[in-house]
Amino acid sequence: AQSVTQPDIHITVSEGASLELRCNYSYGATPYLFWYVQSPGQGLQLLLKYFSGDTLVQGIKGFEAEFKRSQSSFNLRKPSVHWSDAAEYFCAVEAGGYNKLIFGAGTRLAVHP
Amino acid sequence: EPEVTQTPSHQVTQMGQEVILRCVPISNHLYFYWYRQILGQKVEFLVSFYNNEISEKSEIFDDQFSVERPDGSNFTLKIRSTKLEDSAMYFCASSDGGHGTPFFGSGTQLSVL
Repeated sequence: AQSVTQPDIHITVSEGASLELRCNYSYGATPYLFWYVQSPGQGLQLLLKYFSGDTLVQGIKGFEAEFKRSQSSFNLRKPSVHWSDAAEYFCAVEAGGYNKLIFGAGTRLAVHP
Repeated sequence: EPEVTQTPSHQVTQMGQEVILRCVPISNHLYFYWYRQILGQKVEFLVSFYNNEISEKSEIFDDQFSVERPDGSNFTLKIRSTKLEDSAMYFCASSDGGHGTPFFGSGTQLSVL
């Protein structure tokens, strides 16, 4: 069965530091992968997606993610974190047809000034 | 920028009552979804809807749940007789199909007392 694992429940970084959020997926076919961000009291905003082609994907707010098929991973990165990046981050894989998404448990990011 | 709109943002109801959660998907999208997030848990798929019928539903989506597209713009989720465990954030999403990107609304926080 398809699944998504986000090993880190909670991460704290200092403002200006680099960030990497881990995501591992389990899916038999070519995966369609997404990262969404949820700020407190807000909905899910798409950061970036991978469908095919270049394995390094650029997104909004300075985020990027790299698809590594050999490691079944799709880690999210940002070179310099801003205080406004504090939020919960969800990795998701499209499972089957009709764009149904399977989400990971999320990683809550805290940013220290 | 087009967005998915959900109303109300908060809904409080008594156990056993019927609730209807409303969504206006992005206008040219063809696929519609409901997800829910119980506090502290993963975002879970409930149902997908295409061409005026349910295309897929999860085990959660039992006979107490129904969806409808009553007109050309609205998409609703009805819970016939709410239970305490239905308390959650409910997200509506829409996509333009194929392997399109699901865009999410800001959610309706449902509290069942």
